[in-house]
Amino acid sequence: QQQVKQSPQSLIVQKGGIPIINCAYENTAFDYFPWYQQFPGKGPALLIAIRPDVSEKKEGRFTISFNKSAKQFSLHIMDSQPGDSATYFCAANGGTSYGKLTFGQGTILTVHP
Amino acid sequence: KAGVTQTPRYLIKTRGQQVTLSCSPISGHRSVSWYQQTPGQGLQFLFEYFSETQRNKGNFPGRFSGRQFSNSRSEMNVSTLELGDSALYLCASKASGSENEQFFGPGTRLTVL
Repeated sequence: QQQVKQSPQSLIVQKGGIPIINCAYENTAFDYFPWYQQFPGKGPALLIAIRPDVSEKKEGRFTISFNKSAKQFSLHIMDSQPGDSATYFCAANGGTSYGKLTFGQGTILTVHP
Repeated sequence: KAGVTQTPRYLIKTRGQQVTLSCSPISGHRSVSWYQQTPGQGLQFLFEYFSETQRNKGNFPGRFSGRQFSNSRSEMNVSTLELGDSALYLCASKASGSENEQFFGPGTRLTVL
């Protein structure tokens, strides 16, 4: 019940394309869903996060869509750039475990010029 | 504000040895969580400390331990190192209260030979 499943494992798009990364969770106690971006040799950096009381949140070129009934959420990157090439992780936490993030397996995104 | 800092950044040990990793959280943050990142298992939660007390624990053997000091700095220790302990160890800090955002350090790359 603690799993977060992320897909796809890897994604290749052309510059300007809109990559979409999907995540699904099982634990209904989860109420905070962040996305992290990680470059090689660096720690994960918080990109954007959403709570279940909204269905969409946008920050710059990054948008999270959230479907509470389906227990799914996704990240859309508008007008993707080669500099967006990185590994993206979805995560979740909630209940009594706010210090414990449960992560998806990650998606390696490559944006070609 | 300075970000989360971790020392050392790289470490090479041999099987059977023990190792101590250090993490200094963002100023004012009282919660420190530790994660292990490997290509096969992804990002896995080790434990969380808050006000010098372990608040959450992941599914790792007792060889993995940690502590937190009164200034919120944290250390994790791995005893009797195994080859499979080779990983990137990440520390994340967050503010207390209702804020969920965790901010990661650059990690310590541990190689066990």
